[in-house]
Amino acid sequence: DTAVSQTPKYLVTQMGNDKSIKCEQNLGHDTMYWYKQDSKKFLKIMFSYNNKELIINETVPNRFSPKSPDKAHLNLHINSLELGDSAVYFCASSEPGVSYNEQFFGPGTRLTVL
Amino acid sequence: GEDVEQSLFLSVREGDSSVINCTYTDSSSTYLYWYKQEPGAGLQLLTYIFSNMDMKQDQRLTVLLNKKDKHLSLRIADTQTGDSAIYFCAENLQAGTALIFGKGTTLSVSS
Repeated sequence: DTAVSQTPKYLVTQMGNDKSIKCEQNLGHDTMYWYKQDSKKFLKIMFSYNNKELIINETVPNRFSPKSPDKAHLNLHINSLELGDSAVYFCASSEPGVSYNEQFFGPGTRLTVL
Repeated sequence: GEDVEQSLFLSVREGDSSVINCTYTDSSSTYLYWYKQEPGAGLQLLTYIFSNMDMKQDQRLTVLLNKKDKHLSLRIADTQTGDSAIYFCAENLQAGTALIFGKGTTLSVSS
């Protein structure tokens, strides 16, 4: 009965590879997000989708491409991985106007680029 | 601009009160939140306060909001070792938009 789930939990890969992280929410929310937490624990928004449409795209390299096949899923594909992409990536979802706009977070995916 | 500031570390003894402070710059924030992150884990919403409130109490947690100074604080009474974690202050300008997080305060509780 997990609310927001992400796979994989850990991802170790070589520089230059392409990888994907998947996110699914079973809360029926319309809005989903990807946040990045760097090695200093700083959290920043990367993307936001509302009902499968891109709403926010912060200054993220275009090697990062989010894809939302339906409103319950928001996947993150990363091309040509670089050392600086090593971080923990969190997916979240919310339903605007409901329950004090709480965002529910997934457990995170720890990406390590060697 | 949008910026949320927090002190990075706080160390207390078990049983003491902890106070974690946060300042934000955007006065149009609708809600302000405190999230907790335990080591290796995700983010858990601890509490929130609506921008038209100045205080909220929830068991051992007290949130104070000073809109004039754009200052938010979280007080944890009777701090326990299980409270050791990183605490993030966050603001949300409007529903459906991203949270803007502070840099997090690492709370260390010693017995």
